[in-house]
Order: sequence, then structure tokens, then C-alpha cells
Amino acid sequence: EAGVTQFPSHSVIEKGQTVTLRCDPISGHDNLYWYRRVMGKEIKFLLHFVKESKQDESGMPNNRFLAERTGGTYSTLKVQPAELEDSGVYFCASSQSLGQGSSYEQYFGPGTRLTVT
Amino acid sequence: DQQVKQNSPSLSVQEGRISILNCDYTNSMFDYFLWYKKYPAEGPTFLISISSIKDKNEDGRFTVFLNKSAKHLSLHIVPSQPGDSAVYFCAARQGYNTDKLIFGTGTRLQVFP
Repeated sequence: EAGVTQFPSHSVIEKGQTVTLRCDPISGHDNLYWYRRVMGKEIKFLLHFVKESKQDESGMPNNRFLAERTGGTYSTLKVQPAELEDSGVYFCASSQSLGQGSSYEQYFGPGTRLTVT
Repeated sequence: DQQVKQNSPSLSVQEGRISILNCDYTNSMFDYFLWYKKYPAEGPTFLISISSIKDKNEDGRFTVFLNKSAKHLSLHIVPSQPGDSAVYFCAARQGYNTDKLIFGTGTRLQVFP
């Protein structure tokens, strides 16, 4: 069974440019999450999709970040325009649903390292 | 304000001995705790978890202990192996209505021969 995949693995862009990150969750996982780790600090939650709906987007830093999950399969995270402080590793994770409010453990992808110069 | 804290940034242990990684939390609403292991250039890999209604969970060489009154959990690895060298993250789930995980800053474990 394929794990969570993310593309690209690394992206270097200039301040003000746009970048789109992609995540393909494990097949059959309704839950998809985005997290970010900045400069060796803790991994911070960004948002959570259940199928195509945003369940929780309380961790999104500002309106320069836009996440979508069309059709409830893969997800994209767009940063526009990128700022220096957006640099970090963006992780995607997915999990099954056991029912309302409960899920299996979250399985993480390898991450996309974003460098904004 | 960090709700999950791993106060030891690094730990060095000899092969065959026990490794103990510690984690403290502040939010009494956390209902589920997880440990993840991370190698460089890879995503975190789930290791072991424990529900807040339990005080111990064991899986092979890995045991997690939860002390709710002290808001403290620990991960014991015994015996430690060189392949266990990685960064270990403690994470907590905030409660029934959310799947959001709150992570600590990680502890780098080095197991030497």
C-alpha cells in the first residue's frame, strides 16, 4: 500500500512568488491534514479536511495560504505571495475515520521543504 | 504558549541500555497521546500511542507511560539499538471534537555502540 506522497520534495522561490504544494493521501483515507515545521521548532497544525470539506483551519497563518481538496482525493496548498517567514517543511498527513470525532493515527508524508529567498 | 513540551533537546544512550524520553503537557483536555519517530529528510513515522484512560501501553521494545495527575508521559525503549537514533516527537490530540495534533519540539536520540 502506497503511503502519503508529496510533491515537490523541495522548492526554492523568491519572496512575492507563488508556490503550490501537492499531497496525495493514502487511498481510502477521508482525513487529510497539513502541518508545518519552521526552523527545527515544533510541527504545527495548519488545517484538516474531511473528504473535500475543511473541518478545521484554525492553524492557517493568514489569507496568503489557500488549501483545497477537490473531489476529496489529493490536496493542494498554495502560498501567494510567499514571504520569508513561510520557509519551512510542509507535511501532509492522512488518517481513516472511525466515526464522528475519532480517527486512527495520522500517517505523514515526507514533506516539502520550502525555501523563500 | 507551548502546550506540549519536550525539555530535553537531545539524549545519548549506549546500545542495549534503556532510553527514556520525556514529555510534559499543560492541557487537561488532551485525550490521546502519540509518539512519532523522524529520520532526516523523512516525515514523522507513528510509533506508539496511548489513550488518556490508560496509564501504560506496550509494543515490543517500546512502552509509553502516562501520568495524568502530573501531566507527564514518557517513552521507554529497551533495549536501545543504533537504528533507534532519530528525533522523537511527542504529540497530543486536543479532544473528541478535533483531530488536530499538538506536537512538542522533539528530542534527538543517539544510540551509540
